[in-house]
Amino acid sequence: DAGVTQSPTHLIKTRGQQVTLRCSPKSGHDTVSWYQQALGQGPQFIFQYYEEEERQRGNFPDRFSGHQFPNYSSELNVNALLLGDSALYLCASSNGETQYFGPGTRLLVL
Amino acid sequence: GENVEQHPSTLSVQEGDSAVIKCTYSDSASNYFPWYKQELGKRPQLIIDIRSNVGEKKDQRIAVTLNKTAKHFSLHITETQPEDSAVYFCAASDSNSGYALNFGKGTSLLVTP
Repeated sequence: DAGVTQSPTHLIKTRGQQVTLRCSPKSGHDTVSWYQQALGQGPQFIFQYYEEEERQRGNFPDRFSGHQFPNYSSELNVNALLLGDSALYLCASSNGETQYFGPGTRLLVL
Repeated sequence: GENVEQHPSTLSVQEGDSAVIKCTYSDSASNYFPWYKQELGKRPQLIIDIRSNVGEKKDQRIAVTLNKTAKHFSLHITETQPEDSAVYFCAASDSNSGYALNFGKGTSLLVTP
């Protein structure tokens, strides 16, 4: 049974560009949450998807958007990239309170 | 919103000693408290969790305690080993928010042989 997977593992973009990150949840999980982890900090909640809809949202601008597909996989989109968007982006899947994290996508914005 | 504070930010212990990490939270609606261990360059891994209807939970060398009245919870690691060295994060969440996790800033634990 594969755990949570994410792609790509690393990504380099320039300011103003757009990026799409992908997440496949653990088998049996129907909820996907996305977090941003800056270097040396704890993960910050971006948003959560359940039944293909955004159910909860953290304190992030609407440049950050997402989608969940019928197979429960999810995408995170970030538009108009800023230098400060450089971070590790983690997704976590769950079917209740316990969340399991993927390996993350490390995004560098130049 | 929920605010989670975690102390200390760094902790150095000798192998075999105990380590304690403490967290406080602000939202009385929080009812689920997981702890994650993150090694350098790796994903956060759940090591133990506790729900608000329980005061203490133990799993081998790891234990967590919860004081709902004081809004604080702690991680206790006994008989520490060098492989326990990592960054540990506490988090708080509640069912009303879909269990979205609010993390502390982390504790970097170093266990020296």
